[in-house]
Amino acid sequence: DVKVTQSSRYLVKRTGEKVFLECVQDMDHENMFWYRQDPGLGLRLIYFSYDVKMKEKGDIPEGYSVSREKKERFSLILESASTNQTSMYLCASSFRGAGYNQPQHFGDGTRLSIL
Amino acid sequence: GNSVTQMEGPVTLSEEAFLTINCTYTATGYPSLFWYVQYPGEGLQLLLKATKADDKGSNKGFEATYRKETTSFHLEKGSVQVSDSAVYFCALSSLNTGNQFYFGTGTSLTVIP
Repeated sequence: DVKVTQSSRYLVKRTGEKVFLECVQDMDHENMFWYRQDPGLGLRLIYFSYDVKMKEKGDIPEGYSVSREKKERFSLILESASTNQTSMYLCASSFRGAGYNQPQHFGDGTRLSIL
Repeated sequence: GNSVTQMEGPVTLSEEAFLTINCTYTATGYPSLFWYVQYPGEGLQLLLKATKADDKGSNKGFEATYRKETTSFHLEKGSVQVSDSAVYFCALSSLNTGNQFYFGTGTSLTVIP
């Protein structure tokens, strides 16, 4: 089975801190994604990556950056955390494959609180 | 553009009741369609998928049929259990989205004994 591991289940940080969320997958997937999940808004894509050292902005990239130095690891960075970034963060990965029918596989999420 | 619309919740059912969660989509081309389930405190798990018109995805007693004529992918289960209580997400991926997914806002299901 695919395993997507997020480094923390719960995290509490202070306003203005630089925050790192880590995600590792063990299936040699090319694609990796970061979402945030908020009540009533569903999942919103922050950033994604199709390959090492490659990144693309999603729908809500403001206030975030990402890093993909190795194929299996995709990091989300909150440059200067703010209270409106309190949320559940979900990492996902998928095989690029020959088409667009490859499912995404998700980690268990990191519930981040910014005080 | 691409979008997914799910029926609003929350949905509350008694055990052994029939479940339908509606999902309709807008997409250019011929998308692949997915249902995911999220149990409390966990990430999303793939429940089932269908990749072309008239395909039926099924898993754990859940089914959904890809209806191109009505642009729908409704989730059904004949007899729900308490353990099915979760949030259900419909999603699509299509040729012009690459490997990006578009998710509905989720439908919360609570099954009471």
